[in-house]
Amino acid sequence: DGGITQSPKYLFRKEGQNVTLSCEQNLNHDAMYWYRQDPGQGLRLIYYSQIVNDFQKGDIAEGYSVSREKKESFPLTVTSAQKNPTAFYLCASSITHTLNEQFFGPGTRLTVL
Amino acid sequence: RKEVEQDPGPFNVPEGATVAFNCTYSNSASQSFFWYRQDCRKEPKLLMSVYSSGNEDGRFTAQLNRASQYISLLIRDSKLSDSATYLCVVNILTSGGGADGLTFGKGTHLIIQP
Repeated sequence: DGGITQSPKYLFRKEGQNVTLSCEQNLNHDAMYWYRQDPGQGLRLIYYSQIVNDFQKGDIAEGYSVSREKKESFPLTVTSAQKNPTAFYLCASSITHTLNEQFFGPGTRLTVL
Repeated sequence: RKEVEQDPGPFNVPEGATVAFNCTYSNSASQSFFWYRQDCRKEPKLLMSVYSSGNEDGRFTAQLNRASQYISLLIRDSKLSDSATYLCVVNILTSGGGADGLTFGKGTHLIIQP
């Protein structure tokens, strides 16, 4: 089955620790995205990548880092510099960055203890 | 002015009724429009694209009004399972006017009551 997978589904982290969220897609999409959603709020763009080995900051990139070494994979690292990391993290992909609809993975719910 | 604006609701609607909600967008040059559905604690899922000529899929109809810069979603014969948050999505433009990625509205919360 083609699609986007994210792991883990739930993640607990102690303050001061870095943590990496996985996102994989087998749709052969060029573009991939990371969003953050807080309770009752809309999606906010963290980082996006239009093509392998390239990525751009979104609206709230501070405290996060990404890599795009393979077309299928776009992991997100939440660093200790992110002051309020508890949130629902969603990964998405699209055929290209412009115009096309985005398809989402099931999300990772991160809780900082 | 926000790029994409939606009435957050909630819209409380009896089962079987027809419900409609709009979304306004700020950039008249936007070219792609979509409606997504998001269930509680789940990921957004594409409901339908919105074309200039309108788009109908079963009980759902989406329309685009470029002159007034809004898109609409109409749900006929609403079902309990239609309860969700509906996100309006519009492509954004670069400072040079070229197409860029998508921007998501904050969503309209719909509750279908038995």
